[in-house]
Amino acid sequence: EPEVTQTPSHQVTQMGQEVILRCVPISNHLYFYWYRQILGQKVEFLVSFYNNEISEKSEIFDDQFSVERPDGSNFTLKIRSTKLEDSAMYFCASSASGGAHGTQYFGPGTRLLVL
Amino acid sequence: GESVGLHLPTLSVQEGDNSIINCAYSNSASDYFIWYKQESGKGPQFIIDIRSNMDKRQGQRVTVLLNKTVKHLSLQIAATQPGDSAVYFCAEVTGTASKLTFGTGTRLQVTL
Repeated sequence: EPEVTQTPSHQVTQMGQEVILRCVPISNHLYFYWYRQILGQKVEFLVSFYNNEISEKSEIFDDQFSVERPDGSNFTLKIRSTKLEDSAMYFCASSASGGAHGTQYFGPGTRLLVL
Repeated sequence: GESVGLHLPTLSVQEGDNSIINCAYSNSASDYFIWYKQESGKGPQFIIDIRSNMDKRQGQRVTVLLNKTVKHLSLQIAATQPGDSAVYFCAEVTGTASKLTFGTGTRLQVTL
């Protein structure tokens, strides 16, 4: 069964450093998402991406964040200058369709720890 | 605003019993709802979904009920098994937006 994959599974970084989290969505999916989950809290939407541009973003997704689909398979989330409060699990998701017609399938997540 | 360190409600059931997990959603305009299961250290796993033009949908061992009048969603798991132990989240989608808005979550503990 096709699945979303993410790398790395864990990332430790120093405050102020840049990190890039990588995702390979399900191959025939066209909509891509990033979510995060701070420890003990609920999953929060960050950004959705379709047709090589951002469709929607949350208040969390400020100028420090960016997303890119550098090739036909990868989808990345970059945090330019990490802060302590960026420590969280980051989940990538993908769907074949958007809105209420597209079930989102999640990857296993990347645990980011900012020291 | 958001609470820090939300305390998850916990439901404990015996193996073989039925489980009912409830969720109150926030937006009366939401038209698509999904239940996800999250095991420790893993990403949310799709269980079942329902659209706002339905009030019940059944899957394998799971049933989702939607009451739009009181903005309430429930997940029923029949013959609960140890492998069902996880945190269960409801999520809603509104209009043409694709983002999922997740609920707080309920921890299901299955005892032998």
